[in-house]
Amino acid sequence: GAVVSQHPSWVICKSGTSVKIECRSLDFQATTMFWYRQFPKQSLMLMATSNEGSKATYEQGVEKDKFLINHASLTLSTLTVTSAHPEDSSFYICSARDYRATNEKLFFGSGTQLSVL
Amino acid sequence: ILNVEQSPQSLHVQEGDSTNFTCSFPSSNFYALHWYRWETAKSPEALFVMTLNGDEKKKGRISATLNTKEGYSYLYIKGSQPEDSATYLCAFRNTGGFKTIFGAGTRLFVKA
Repeated sequence: GAVVSQHPSWVICKSGTSVKIECRSLDFQATTMFWYRQFPKQSLMLMATSNEGSKATYEQGVEKDKFLINHASLTLSTLTVTSAHPEDSSFYICSARDYRATNEKLFFGSGTQLSVL
Repeated sequence: ILNVEQSPQSLHVQEGDSTNFTCSFPSSNFYALHWYRWETAKSPEALFVMTLNGDEKKKGRISATLNTKEGYSYLYIKGSQPEDSATYLCAFRNTGGFKTIFGAGTRLFVKA
């Protein structure tokens, strides 16, 4: 089945630094990838939709300058948390849809646990 | 605002018990309803994608039903096994949007 690789799995960083998270579709092409954030015991909250070759679409309340998304190829999207602060500590996870598939299935990465000190 | 509710939040059952959980979603402008299984330290994995009112899908001991008119879906697990322990997520997509909205999940614990 389709695989999405997400790295790193966890990261601890100092306040003020930037952190890049990669999401790669390994055996399919994804024109669109989705980035989510999850706080403990809450839903996966969609942050933004990453579109290959164009600007990402951000959800209401998500700062585009804070969470930079780049989708430079059909298999890679990156999320950069810029100038991270403790309140950015969360679980971040990506998903992708195989653009050739007729079904709706999403394929997920394994997530990144970010801790900002 | 699109809201997807799942209940219960968590569930503890004994091995061999059958169980079910509920997903509620907006009944208007329905496009698709997904169920995912998410084991600890792994990626969420798609179980079912349902698009038609009255759909019933089955995968081994797990099955799901869909009622788009009243806005709910049930996931059933027959004869639960410890390996069924996971979080079960449902997600809804409407006709007007491109994004998929997730519920908070039902955390299932199956005790041997």
